[in-house]
Amino acid sequence: AQSVAQPEDQVNVAEGNPLTVKCTYSVSGNPYLFWYVQYPNRGLQFLLKYITGDNLVKGSYGFEAEFNKSQTSFHLKKPSALVSDSALYFCAVNTRANTPLVFGKGTRLSVIA
Amino acid sequence: EAGVAQSPRYKIIEKRQSVAFWCNPISGHATLYWYQQILGQGPKLLIQFQNNGVVDDSQLPKDRFSAERLKGVDSTLKIQPAKLEDSAVYLCASNRGTGTAAFFGQGTRLTVV
Repeated sequence: AQSVAQPEDQVNVAEGNPLTVKCTYSVSGNPYLFWYVQYPNRGLQFLLKYITGDNLVKGSYGFEAEFNKSQTSFHLKKPSALVSDSALYFCAVNTRANTPLVFGKGTRLSVIA
Repeated sequence: EAGVAQSPRYKIIEKRQSVAFWCNPISGHATLYWYQQILGQGPKLLIQFQNNGVVDDSQLPKDRFSAERLKGVDSTLKIQPAKLEDSAVYLCASNRGTGTAAFFGQGTRLTVV
């Protein structure tokens, strides 16, 4: 069965510093990987995805993520954090076979001014 | 492009009562998901439809939960009878198919008292 692990419940970073939110996955076959962000009382918003091709993918709001097949990881990154980036971030995975989109438990990012 | 529409936004019911949620996916999206998100946790898949057929309902508590997607467009999720532990946000999402991003509605916050 496919699964996603987000090892950090909370990540704190100072405004202007780089941020990383970690994600590892487990699937049979090639993964399709996604990052979503959730603001309070809102639904999940799509940030970026990796399907195939370049291991570094760029998404909305200056976020990017790096796919590492050997480490089965897909960490979310941003070179310079903003206070407005503070939110709950979810990593998700499915596969070419249209298996269910499975989410991690989420990581709360707090950017401090 | 209109987003995923869900109603109602909020619902409070007593235990053992029944409740229904409605979802209208993005036009042309063949795949529709219902997720349950308990406070502080990641979304848990309840059911996945491909057009009007069920792809996966392995985590749907079928003794009390039911879902349908008539004509492959709108979907309803029903709980009967509700339990206290059903208190959660119920999220609907849709996508065009495998490898594409899923887009979420704002969710229905259910409180069972």
